[in-house]
Amino acid sequence: DAMVIQNPRYQVTQFGKPVTLSCSQTLNHNVMYWYQQKSSQAPKLLFHYYDKDFNNEADTPDNFQSRRPNTSFCFLDIRSPGLGDAAMYLCATSRVTPGGTEAFFGQGTRLTVV
Amino acid sequence: GNSVTQMEGPVTLSEEAFLTINCTYTATGYPSLFWYVQYPGEGLQLLLKATKADDKGSNKGFEATYRKETTSFHLEKGSVQVSDSAVYFCALFYNQGGKLIFGQGTELSVKP
Repeated sequence: DAMVIQNPRYQVTQFGKPVTLSCSQTLNHNVMYWYQQKSSQAPKLLFHYYDKDFNNEADTPDNFQSRRPNTSFCFLDIRSPGLGDAAMYLCATSRVTPGGTEAFFGQGTRLTVV
Repeated sequence: GNSVTQMEGPVTLSEEAFLTINCTYTATGYPSLFWYVQYPGEGLQLLLKATKADDKGSNKGFEATYRKETTSFHLEKGSVQVSDSAVYFCALFYNQGGKLIFGQGTELSVKP
């Protein structure tokens, strides 16, 4: 049973055409993340939501935006995709508790820019 | 700033060899530490975790101990198998703020 669901699994978009990737979770976790991963490099944190608090990484391009309308859903908007934005985009969730935590990842959306 | 540093790969071993993948971190406070594994073409899977100093995480024959004095969380396995071939990521989680960051990954290749 998938707990972090990303749609679509594969997305092809045109250079400069806005695209939205979606993520939903059934875990009721309070933290949601978006990462960009290229080839077998480390996942690069773009931003994360701690409850409703939005945390943007300093080096995340302005071209990337995010929305979290409720606990279960989070969206990644790329306003004007460039060829360099082709990558795997990973969504993850976690719950912060005094006893520690665990982050769950979705299967990812592979974005191709043509 | 806060960061995670892993030993560079690729690491190539023969089946049944002993594995160590080094991970060190820089952080304020008391983060939780994780090892994730990524098999070719797949997503990230949690391999093991430790939430406080001296905790030992273990799973599938892999182990790692949270060493605050050396700020390390090295991954070990006594006898690797071909099926362990994957990329391994060390990660650090801040309980305050919920931020999760990754090391650069270490590719492991196990030959029969």
